[in-house]
Amino acid sequence: EPEVTQTPSHQVTQMGQEVILRCVPISNHLYFYWYRQILGQKVEFLVSFYNNEISEKSEIFDDQFSVERPDGSNFTLKIRSTKLEDSAMYFCASRISVLSEQYFGPGTRLTVT
Amino acid sequence: QKEVEQDPGPLSVPEGAIVSLNCTYSNSAFQYFMWYRQYSRKGPELLMYTYSSGNKEDGRFTAQVDKSSKYISLFIRDSQPSDSATYLCAMSGGNSGYSTLTFGKGTMLLVSP
Repeated sequence: EPEVTQTPSHQVTQMGQEVILRCVPISNHLYFYWYRQILGQKVEFLVSFYNNEISEKSEIFDDQFSVERPDGSNFTLKIRSTKLEDSAMYFCASRISVLSEQYFGPGTRLTVT
Repeated sequence: QKEVEQDPGPLSVPEGAIVSLNCTYSNSAFQYFMWYRQYSRKGPELLMYTYSSGNKEDGRFTAQVDKSSKYISLFIRDSQPSDSATYLCAMSGGNSGYSTLTFGKGTMLLVSP
């Protein structure tokens, strides 16, 4: 069964460093998402991406964040200058159409020290 | 008032019990309702996806939506120890967008053998 994959599974970085989180959505899906989940908190929407552009973003997704689909398979989330409060699980998700089921990857645990 | 409320639990039941998990919400524009299962430090796994009010059954799982009461439920029959996880409700639609999901905080379920 096709699934969303994410790398790395765990990333440790120092405050102020740039990180890139990678995702490979399900191959025929067209809509892509990033969510995050701070330990003990709810899953929160960050950004949605369709047709090579951002379609929606939350207040969390400020100028420190960017997304890119550099080729036909990868979808990345970049955090330019990490802060301690960016420590969280980051989940990528994809769906085939705007009203279909959204499937999540296993997540990348980001630890900022 | 929070948009989606969910009792965090933990809810402890013996194997074989019927489990009832619930969420309430405040945004009457939500139209799509989902239940995800999340094991510790893993990505959310889609269990049920429903549109508007009514029931949907899939194996041991039944999802119910009551839009008039802004209340959704997930029932698990013949619960198994492997069902022990956190169950997240999620919703979309209206001014929150059809694309992005708004999650509850999750209910931790523990099924003892």
